[in-house]
Amino acid sequence: QKEVEQNSGPLSVPEGAIASLNCTYSDRGSQSFFWYRQYSGKSPELIMFIYSNGDKEDGRFTAQLNKASQYVSLLIRDSQPSDSATYLCAVIRGGGSNYKLTFGKGTLLTVNP
Amino acid sequence: DAGVIQSPRHEVTEMGQEVTLRCKPISGHDYLFWYRQTMMRGLELLIYFNNNVPIDDSGMPEDRFSAKMPNASFSTLKIQPSEPRDSAVYFCASSRLTDTQYFGPGTRLTVL
Repeated sequence: QKEVEQNSGPLSVPEGAIASLNCTYSDRGSQSFFWYRQYSGKSPELIMFIYSNGDKEDGRFTAQLNKASQYVSLLIRDSQPSDSATYLCAVIRGGGSNYKLTFGKGTLLTVNP
Repeated sequence: DAGVIQSPRHEVTEMGQEVTLRCKPISGHDYLFWYRQTMMRGLELLIYFNNNVPIDDSGMPEDRFSAKMPNASFSTLKIQPSEPRDSAVYFCASSRLTDTQYFGPGTRLTVL
């Protein structure tokens, strides 16, 4: 089982719709969860992070975490063509010399005008 | 702040040559990370430093790869000798503590 799994997509949604991106992880000791956005040919940039079970909202973005199910998701409301990118889920366990960060392979999102 | 700076942005070399990639982290960040990204394998953590000390190099693919951080503002990733399968985009990222990582623009390496 891969440590961090994402559906590679592509996920295609119409403009204005809700895009739902999902990520599962295998390490139950994971503590921090991040969503990065990567435009084609660019570097990843942080969208949101979440540490506790439940929802965290920031503008059009909502991150959801369920540690019991080892599942983290990102919802994008009112999707815009500018949201078209690859979304990377990242999971962190530990800190200091025990720090371990793993990225998923990403989900390609296309928002159609 | 200028963000994470990487050089060169593009590198084309021939198999067997030495390649050196450079990174300047954001000032004040005490963690520095080197990643490799390919279509097949995604984004892979190669090595990371904390306060200039290498902490985990388990992601370094083989002995041909080495990384150094002689001071808080500079790190290098060296491949010697390079092989075509090393072709990828190499990212450097930095962070304060083990929080949000800020990525550099990347170096696109092509080994012929």
